[in-house]
Amino acid sequence: QMQLMQSGPEVKKPGTSVKVSCKSSDFTFTDSALHWVRQAPGPRLEWLGWIVVGSGYTESAQKFQGRVTLTRDLSTGTAYMELSSLQSDDTAVYYCAAGGARRFRTFESWGQGTLVIVSS
Amino acid sequence: DVQMTQSPSSLSTSVGDSVTITCQASQDITNYLNWYQQKPGEPPKLLIYDASNLETGVPSRFSASGSGTGFSFTISNLQPEDIATYYCQQYDTLPLTFGGGTKVDIK
Repeated sequence: QMQLMQSGPEVKKPGTSVKVSCKSSDFTFTDSALHWVRQAPGPRLEWLGWIVVGSGYTESAQKFQGRVTLTRDLSTGTAYMELSSLQSDDTAVYYCAAGGARRFRTFESWGQGTLVIVSS
Repeated sequence: DVQMTQSPSSLSTSVGDSVTITCQASQDITNYLNWYQQKPGEPPKLLIYDASNLETGVPSRFSASGSGTGFSFTISNLQPEDIATYYCQQYDTLPLTFGGGTKVDIK
């Protein structure tokens, strides 16, 4: 399974942005799809969007369109999720999760999660 | 969006018992359904893919079935390490969506 390491916790003010990174040291990174899922206290899981790592194609849930930017850096094996115009209800643990070449839409491997707190 | 209705939301049972969780999709998703286990403080873990296939390394006491709109997930001979929250997830249609989760604990 792919090992995914996420960046550390963040505390942000309302109206600002956060950028979370997800690094893979696996050579199959470029053959995968990288998803972003969040979990607010609740504990419902919510899909934000995905990036097909090799092509760079992205798609996000309509709820987050215009607010989420998904990118990747092939040279470092790192994917990024930037969420803008943060509000208190964006407080959640944000996970990256990878789907392999034959299972793009299945979350085979997960990062450890990044806690994002939005508070004034 | 495809709504996934999972039930029950929680259950309490004994070691050695069997538990069954159901997941209902708001439209036909054929067999494009996965099941995950999440323990406190950890990310989810894939247990079942394509509605009924056991992921490599997952104990055989976990099983699942279903197609179309109705799916079920069963833990046979429940072990203490199975205490967790379980989620279904459909991948037929974007956005990918999850059930609300079922928390399983020991009486």
